[in-house]
Amino acid sequence: SQTIHQWPATLVQPVGSPLSLECTVEGTSNPNLYWYRQAAGRGLQLLFYSVGIGQISSEVPQNLSASRPQDRQFILSSKKLLLSDSGFYLCAWSVSGWNSPLHFGNGTRLTVT
Amino acid sequence: AQTVTQSQPEMSVQEAETVTLSCTYDTSESDYYLFWYKQPPSRQMILVIRQEAYKQQNATENRFSVNFQKAAKSFSLKISDSQLGDAAMYFCAYRSAIAGTASKLTFGTGTRLQVTL
Repeated sequence: SQTIHQWPATLVQPVGSPLSLECTVEGTSNPNLYWYRQAAGRGLQLLFYSVGIGQISSEVPQNLSASRPQDRQFILSSKKLLLSDSGFYLCAWSVSGWNSPLHFGNGTRLTVT
Repeated sequence: AQTVTQSQPEMSVQEAETVTLSCTYDTSESDYYLFWYKQPPSRQMILVIRQEAYKQQNATENRFSVNFQKAAKSFSLKISDSQLGDAAMYFCAYRSAIAGTASKLTFGTGTRLQVTL
C-alpha cells in the first residue's frame, strides 16, 4: 500500500532563517506531488505541484520554492522565512488520472517567530 | 477561476442524529469532480466521499452521502447516525476534469462539526 511521510511535524524558526520541509511517498511510482498551506481559520491553498522529476509548477507568488530531486521526494524550501510564512503545511500525492483524489501527509506546523 | 464556498463555519449535531453540511461552488466547466475531506484534531486530511459531475446518482459511502445539484452548483454532505468520531473540520473541494491537469483541488474554508452526547 502507498504511504506518505512528511517531516518534521512541528517547527519553530526565527525570521530570516532558511526552511526545508521534506515529503516522501512509498508504494507508487511517478506520483503527482503537491504542497498545500493551511492558514488559521482558512481553507487549503495550493502552493506547488509536480508531475515529474524536476517539474515544478507554482500556483502563487511567494517566499517559498519547491524541488523534486527524486521521483517520490518533494521538498519545500525558503532562503529567508517571513512571519507570514507561519502556517500548517501539507504534502499530498495523487496518481495521474481525472478522478484521482489527493492523499495527504500528516502536515507540518511551522511557526516563524 | 473556480471558487468553493462553505457558508457554515460551525455546526453541531447530537450523537445518532443526522446533519447536513453545505457547499456551493462556482465554475464555467461542465465536467469536474467534487470531494469532501475530513480533518480531525490530528490534522490529517482524510477523503470522505467524491462525486463525478457527469454522474446524476448521488455518491454514498456508508453513513456519508451527498446531495449533488449540478444546476444549482450545490454539493452538500449528509452524515447519518452521527458518531463522536465524526467531530472534525470538513472541507469541500473542486477539481477540474480538463485532461492533463494534475489533481489541483480548490478548497472551501471548512465547516467545524461538533458532535454532542
